[in-house]
Amino acid sequence: DIQMTQSPSTLSASVGDRVTITCRASQSISNWLAWYQQKPGKAPKLLIYKASSLESGVPSRFSGSGSGTEFTLTISGLHPDDFATYYCQQYNVYSEWTFGQGTRVEIK
Amino acid sequence: QVQLQESGPGLVKPSETLSLTCTVSGDSIRSYYWTWIRQPAGKGLECIGRIYSSGSTNYSPSLNSRVTMSVDTSKNQFSLRLSSVTAADTAVYYCARLGRSGHFDYWGQGTLVTVSA
Repeated sequence: DIQMTQSPSTLSASVGDRVTITCRASQSISNWLAWYQQKPGKAPKLLIYKASSLESGVPSRFSGSGSGTEFTLTISGLHPDDFATYYCQQYNVYSEWTFGQGTRVEIK
Repeated sequence: QVQLQESGPGLVKPSETLSLTCTVSGDSIRSYYWTWIRQPAGKGLECIGRIYSSGSTNYSPSLNSRVTMSVDTSKNQFSLRLSSVTAADTAVYYCARLGRSGHFDYWGQGTLVTVSA
């Protein structure tokens, strides 16, 4: 099984801050990585797929990068609506999907 | 706009079978894989498995012995059955569409299933 490790687990930030979340895979997954935002009581929302492709309708302040085993999600200028939990998710050739444990972005 | 809606009992007794259905609207269920994902309260997300419109399935190895998924293309629905449930299966269950790049692009709102006597 491929394990996904996110860091940090919790991040305290202020409106306007640049925020970076890291996701590491236990083995190479090429660019088969997605990022989601989840708010309490809601389903996750797709932000980024294939490591760096922005989902339609997602604000351009969200961006993703990386390949192989290390990936980042960056929010360039935190909005009040961005305080939420973020998950990375990998897909591999064995038809397995694994999520990271989540990063909670909270108000500083 | 693709929409998914989960339905099924919110309470299941231990050792019994959990059954959920996902109804897809706004798109045909054909030509995509469809998945079930669950999330225990306060915890992370776990993919249970996927099914294609042909009925082809892939299940999580950790749940493989207890999971059955099926599809009804005439109703644009797919279903999940999880047998021999325990309290550890208590979670919010989501259905979702699997996009072309292995990501989940459309999600249902989720349904809470509690396993309790």
